[in-house]
Amino acid sequence: KAGVTQTPRYLIKTRGQQVTLSCSPISGHRSVSWYQQTPGQGLQFLFEYFSETQRNKGNFPGRFSGRQFSNSRSEMNVSTLELGDSALYLCASSFRGLSGNTIYFGEGSWLTVV
Amino acid sequence: GESVGLHLPTLSVQEGDNSIINCAYSNSASDYFIWYKQESGKGPQFIIDIRSNMDKRQGQRVTVLLNKTVKHLSLQIAATQPGDSAVYFCAENQGGSEKLVFGKGMKLTVNP
Repeated sequence: KAGVTQTPRYLIKTRGQQVTLSCSPISGHRSVSWYQQTPGQGLQFLFEYFSETQRNKGNFPGRFSGRQFSNSRSEMNVSTLELGDSALYLCASSFRGLSGNTIYFGEGSWLTVV
Repeated sequence: GESVGLHLPTLSVQEGDNSIINCAYSNSASDYFIWYKQESGKGPQFIIDIRSNMDKRQGQRVTVLLNKTVKHLSLQIAATQPGDSAVYFCAENQGGSEKLVFGKGMKLTVNP
């Protein structure tokens, strides 16, 4: 069974550009969430989707957005990139997205903003 | 990619020793806890979980202890191996969704 797949793995963008990251959850998983990981702030929750609906959102500016498709695949977008957006962006999936459901992470997308 | 394990507290142990990694969680309403292992350049890997109605849970070479009174979680790794070298995170789940709140992380270094 394939794990959580994220693409691209590495990318470099320029300040002011926008970026779209993609996540394919484990087959059968319907809940997808996104996290930002930086050395200074650690792992921080961005948002969570279940059945194409955003259920929860972290404390990030509106430049960060996401969506989920009917096949549970998800994308996140960051517009008007800033240097501080450089981070590892992680996607996680679980079966139902309820407390107590094992949550699995992908390998992440490394974003560097120059 | 760069490391995300910079400036973390570090625990160094000898191969074969037992390791204990501690974590204080923040929300007394959290009812599900997970330990993750993250190796350099990789995403967090699930190790073991525990629900709030339990005090202890054992896996293969790992044990998680939960003390709800003091909001403390620990991960014990028996017979630590060089392959256990990584950053370890505890995470708490606050019920009803997939949102995890992560601890700061602990870098474990196993010396051969």
